[in-house]
Amino acid sequence: DAGVTQSPTHLIKTRGQQVTLRCSPISGHKSVSWYQQVLGQGPQFIFQYYEKEERGRGNFPDRFSARQFPNYSSELNVNALLLGDSALYLCASSLAGGYQETQYFGPGTRLLVL
Amino acid sequence: QQQVKQSPQSLIVQKGGISIINCAYENTAFDYFPWYQQFPGKGPALLIAIRPDVSEKKEGRFTISFNKSAKQFSLHIMDSQPGDSATYFCAASTYNAGNMLTFGGGTRLMVKP
Repeated sequence: DAGVTQSPTHLIKTRGQQVTLRCSPISGHKSVSWYQQVLGQGPQFIFQYYEKEERGRGNFPDRFSARQFPNYSSELNVNALLLGDSALYLCASSLAGGYQETQYFGPGTRLLVL
Repeated sequence: QQQVKQSPQSLIVQKGGISIINCAYENTAFDYFPWYQQFPGKGPALLIAIRPDVSEKKEGRFTISFNKSAKQFSLHIMDSQPGDSATYFCAASTYNAGNMLTFGGGTRLMVKP
């Protein structure tokens, strides 16, 4: 079975631009979470979605938004990019996003903001 | 506020040795503690996890030790192999936060042949 897939793999943007990252969960998984991993640090939670509803939001500014589609895929949007947004953006899927459920991470999208 | 502190940041171990990575947490509401392994170019993958009602959990060469009173937990990798070279993250979650994970800063492990 295919794992979590993310696109694009790499992206270069300039400050002030907007970016959209995409994630396809493992087949049968209905929950998707997004994490930001700055180089040399651990992943930091951004959003969790389940059945198209936002279930959780981390401590990120409103420039960050996300949505989940009926096929459970998800998009993460970041507006007005800052240099500090440069990071690896990870998507993780799980069956229902429940407590202690195993999350399966994709390989990430590496975003560089110049 | 870094709620999960991980040490050391990097670790070099000889093949066959024991690798030990430590984590400490502040939020007493944390009650699920997974460890993730990340290879370059890959996303993190669940390695092993523990709940606070047990003090130790072992899976193959990997063991988690948990000290609830000290709010600390650690990962031991026995008979470390070069293939174990990766970055390891401890994490924690609470019942009322769905499956949101709070990660430590990571430990880059290198096992020398």
